[in-house]
Amino acid sequence: GQQVMQIPQYQHVQEGEDFTTYCNSSTTLSNIQWYKQRPGGHPVFLIQLVKSGEVKKQKRLTFQFGEAKKNSSLHITATQTTDVGTYFCAGSSGGSNYKLTFGKGTLLTVNP
Amino acid sequence: KAGVTQTPRYLIKTRGQQVTLSCSPISGHRSVSWYQQTPGQGLQFLFEYFSETQRNKGNFPGRFSGRQFSNSRSEMNVSTLELGDSALYLCASSGEYEQFFGPGTRLTVL
Repeated sequence: GQQVMQIPQYQHVQEGEDFTTYCNSSTTLSNIQWYKQRPGGHPVFLIQLVKSGEVKKQKRLTFQFGEAKKNSSLHITATQTTDVGTYFCAGSSGGSNYKLTFGKGTLLTVNP
Repeated sequence: KAGVTQTPRYLIKTRGQQVTLSCSPISGHRSVSWYQQTPGQGLQFLFEYFSETQRNKGNFPGRFSGRQFSNSRSEMNVSTLELGDSALYLCASSGEYEQFFGPGTRLTVL
């Protein structure tokens, strides 16, 4: 079945440093979504990417979808303590958004 | 709009028992998905219901089952609980494409 690998598993940064997490799928995806889960919380939707090579920005966050639609990345510029949490990518294929395969997530901690 | 609600929030059971968890989606959402979250395996898809029909299913044993009612509320049931079923069970209702997660039910099996 479809597998989504995400690296790194953990990342600790100093406040102000940049952060990137990478996601790779074993199969071509129809779209990829990104979620953030704060400690003790539940995943919250950040964004969806659909087109090959798509790049979207949300303030300090930049999301990319690879040309082959098998990989994606999330880059945070100048991290803040509010960025702490686990970032998950989730892919779907076959046109269904309702069977998402999640990566295991990257836990980001930020030292003030 | 009220968010996704799940009850109960915490549950302690013993091996061999069964458990039923409940999820109320956001008003107007007809799709409800269930996930199991554990530190080792991350978020794993259990199943998805749409208009009272199971539309997608993950790779979990038959001890895990679910259903959806006409008002879109959903329940999942786990029979013959095992220690490995201890996890956070999350339900999500779907909007146009994103999923809105509830706070989860923390199940501990002793």
